[in-house]
Amino acid sequence: AQSVTQLGSHVSVSEGALVLLRCNYSSSVPPYLFWYVQYPNQGLQLLLKYTTGATLVKGINGFEAEFKKSETSFHLTKPSAHMSDAAEYFCAVSPGFQKLVFGTGTRLLVSP
Amino acid sequence: ETGVTQTPRHLVMGMTNKKSLKCEQHLGHNAMYWYKQSAKKPLELMFVYNFKEQTENNSVPSRFSPECPNSSHLFLHLHTLQPEDSALYLCASSQDRQSTGELFFGEGSRLTVL
Repeated sequence: AQSVTQLGSHVSVSEGALVLLRCNYSSSVPPYLFWYVQYPNQGLQLLLKYTTGATLVKGINGFEAEFKKSETSFHLTKPSAHMSDAAEYFCAVSPGFQKLVFGTGTRLLVSP
Repeated sequence: ETGVTQTPRHLVMGMTNKKSLKCEQHLGHNAMYWYKQSAKKPLELMFVYNFKEQTENNSVPSRFSPECPNSSHLFLHLHTLQPEDSALYLCASSQDRQSTGELFFGEGSRLTVL
């Protein structure tokens, strides 16, 4: 079975600081990995995805994530946080052409 | 125009009421999904429709009844709900059921059951 663990339900950073949101997955087959973002009172929006190929994936709004098979991780980073990055972030895994399994989410708080 | 539109955005109902949630997608997709989002829990996949046919029902109680009249519209009919059914219900679509997991979500319908 596939599963996703997001470490930390809340992460607080200062504006301009590095953002690091952690995601570890479990999958019995090579996974597809995703990060989605949910702004207040909105649905989820795809930030980036890894399917095959280059393990460093760049997404929208300056975010990127690196697929590390040996660590079963897909951590999300952004070099410099902006106030507008405050949102909830969801990591998800899809074991090939099957249903998407989401983590419990990490709320990013950005202070001035 | 938003790709996936959900109505109503907010709904309050009693346990004996019957109501429906509506989802419409303008993206030309063939697969549609209902998810339940509760506080401190992962998103729960409820139903999947592919080309109007239900392909997945994740052991959802029968008080939730989905309907997919065509590839653009998805409904969730609600009756005799329980307070624990209060949650944000998200509709999503994708090109088809075999796509690589890129889902397009609506803004959700916030349901409160009294």
